Amino acid sequence: EIVLTQSPGTLSLSPGERATLSCRTGQSIPSSYLAWFQQKPGQAPRLLIYGASSRATGIPDRFSGSGSGTDFTLTISGLEPGDSAVYYCQQYGGSAGFTFGPGTKVEIK
Amino acid sequence: EVHLVESGGNLVQPGRSLRLSCTGSGFTFGDYAMSWFRQAPGKGPEWVSFIRGKAYGGATEYAASVKGRFTISRDDSKGIVYLQMTSLKTEDTAVYYCSRFLEWLLGLDYWGQGTLVTVSS
Repeated sequence: EIVLTQSPGTLSLSPGERATLSCRTGQSIPSSYLAWFQQKPGQAPRLLIYGASSRATGIPDRFSGSGSGTDFTLTISGLEPGDSAVYYCQQYGGSAGFTFGPGTKVEIK
Repeated sequence: EVHLVESGGNLVQPGRSLRLSCTGSGFTFGDYAMSWFRQAPGKGPEWVSFIRGKAYGGATEYAASVKGRFTISRDDSKGIVYLQMTSLKTEDTAVYYCSRFLEWLLGLDYWGQGTLVTVSS
């Protein structure tokens, strides 16, 4: 099983600032296998990015993904109060299913 | 519009069984793989199982933590995917979500609102 680590654990930023979230996988994976989710309290996860850099339907272009190999990044530009959430990276492991990272909590001051 | 609605969650004693349902609408259900996830209080999401669409033969996969105890199945005529859970343990307590899996994009694009399963004596 591929282990995902995310950093930082918590990010506290002001509206309008840029958030940079990191996800590292235990071994190199195809970029197509990496996705990012947003989860707010009491809600289901919401797909933001798939294939490391493609935005899901309806996701604003303030959200962007990049990276390859073992290092991936989610960037949120122009933070808004509604962006307060936990963000998870997730990798697809074929018959091994899906693995999520521990999450990064983004707080808007 | 795509909708997924889970049902069947309940309070159940350890060792007992429970069946969850996930009803999909707004898309051609049989063309898509479907997956179950769960999330224990204060924890991140954990994959449980998935079942492929008919183009991929409806193959199933399970997480090691539930293999041999849980069974996923689907009724494409009704647009429902099931999760039959047996020999439940306290550590199975979680909100269970179903999700649609786009196999060609490798994306879990729609999720239900979840149903709570509590395993306790």
